[in-house]
Amino acid sequence: DTAVSQTPKYLVTQMGNDKSIKCEQNLGHDTMYWYKQDSKKFLKIMFSYNNKELIINETVPNRFSPKSPDKAHLNLHINSLELGDSAVYFCASRKGNTEAFFGQGTRLTVV
Amino acid sequence: GQQVMQIPQYQHVQEGEDFTTYCNSSTTLSNIQWYKQRPGGHPVFLIQLVKSGEVKKQKRLTFQFGEAKKNSSLHITATQTTDVGTYFCAGYTGTASKLTFGTGTRLQVTL
Repeated sequence: DTAVSQTPKYLVTQMGNDKSIKCEQNLGHDTMYWYKQDSKKFLKIMFSYNNKELIINETVPNRFSPKSPDKAHLNLHINSLELGDSAVYFCASRKGNTEAFFGQGTRLTVV
Repeated sequence: GQQVMQIPQYQHVQEGEDFTTYCNSSTTLSNIQWYKQRPGGHPVFLIQLVKSGEVKKQKRLTFQFGEAKKNSSLHITATQTTDVGTYFCAGYTGTASKLTFGTGTRLQVTL
């Protein structure tokens, strides 16, 4: 029983395409995140949702649009993909100010 | 905005040597968390420190939270090859639900 699951695990696509990454958690957590990890391993927060409401929106291009249909899901849609979008994207969830649980990550490669 | 820096960025040790990574935040943290990310894996929670000056131990790992709640350290005694990975500190500021990760320290252990 995977606590936080992301799909797909790998995504290779051409520049200019639109793609989505899905995330689901079965932990009953109220907060979900998207993080981007670049080649230097820096983990940068992109978005945070609490009870389906967007509460953190870092300086992210508006080509990135998160959507939370319910508390257990947080999807990430990316329009007009660029080479610089290549990275590993992690979904995470937590309850309160406790530990965050991460998904396995989605390795996005834009060619 | 809040910045969380870690030093060193990378350390290579021989098995049996000790290792320490230091975490410094530009702002006071309500708590500090530590995560470990194995190569190719996702961040996994290790521990959370809440009180000023708190020290916690997990087998060979010792975690400290600074008196001013702006810095922390992770010390590993007698490293093993299983300790290989990137260690991140992460913190919440005040009541914000933004979990900011440090820049990470990559540990390599060789026989």
